[in-house]
Amino acid sequence: QKEVEQDPGPLSVPEGAIVSLNCTYSNSAFQYFMWYRQYSRKGPELLMYTYSSGNKEDGRFTAQVDKSSKYISLFIRDSQPSDSATYLCAMSPSFTGGGNKLTFGTGTQLKVEL
Amino acid sequence: GAVVSQHPSWVICKSGTSVKIECRSLDFQATTMFWYRQFPKQSLMLMATSNEGSKATYEQGVEKDKFLINHASLTLSTLTVTSAHPEDSSFYICSAGPRTSGAPADTQYFGPGTRLTVL
Repeated sequence: QKEVEQDPGPLSVPEGAIVSLNCTYSNSAFQYFMWYRQYSRKGPELLMYTYSSGNKEDGRFTAQVDKSSKYISLFIRDSQPSDSATYLCAMSPSFTGGGNKLTFGTGTQLKVEL
Repeated sequence: GAVVSQHPSWVICKSGTSVKIECRSLDFQATTMFWYRQFPKQSLMLMATSNEGSKATYEQGVEKDKFLINHASLTLSTLTVTSAHPEDSSFYICSAGPRTSGAPADTQYFGPGTRLTVL
């Protein structure tokens, strides 16, 4: 079993839809959770980060962490064609200022259609 | 802030040659940088952790003699693919995390990637 599971998709939604992207994990030591967006042939771009359980909102994006269920989500409201990309979840157990390895999900490919 | 650059963005080389890829943190210092490779429609595979002033730590299955990593300063790490072969063709991406206290812990910022094609 992989430490982080993520449905690879592809996920196709109409413009304006609410998108829900999810990851599950098995390592209870993970406390720091990130979502990255990767456009084709580009490096991943950090979208959001959260610590421990709870919600965090940034514009059209909301990240949720449920540590009791080992489940994290990224919601995208009013999805746009420009949101079409691969979304990767990543997580880490500790806080050493960028020096720890991240464990990534496989990424979910999202396509928002006009 | 937190910009990471890579050079070159793409390279084509003949089999048997060596290729060097540079990763720079432009506006912050990075004690640690990471090197990944990514095959089409697959996730990132960590190759090695590059530590400034010391030897890199390689992941299991990654040949350290083939993928040479040098972390010359707090803003520069290089990956050299030695005696490249067609199976080394891939998308290579580096990342780095700010070491300043104001940065989110364990956040990594990625470079734009280098596409290597070995003929």
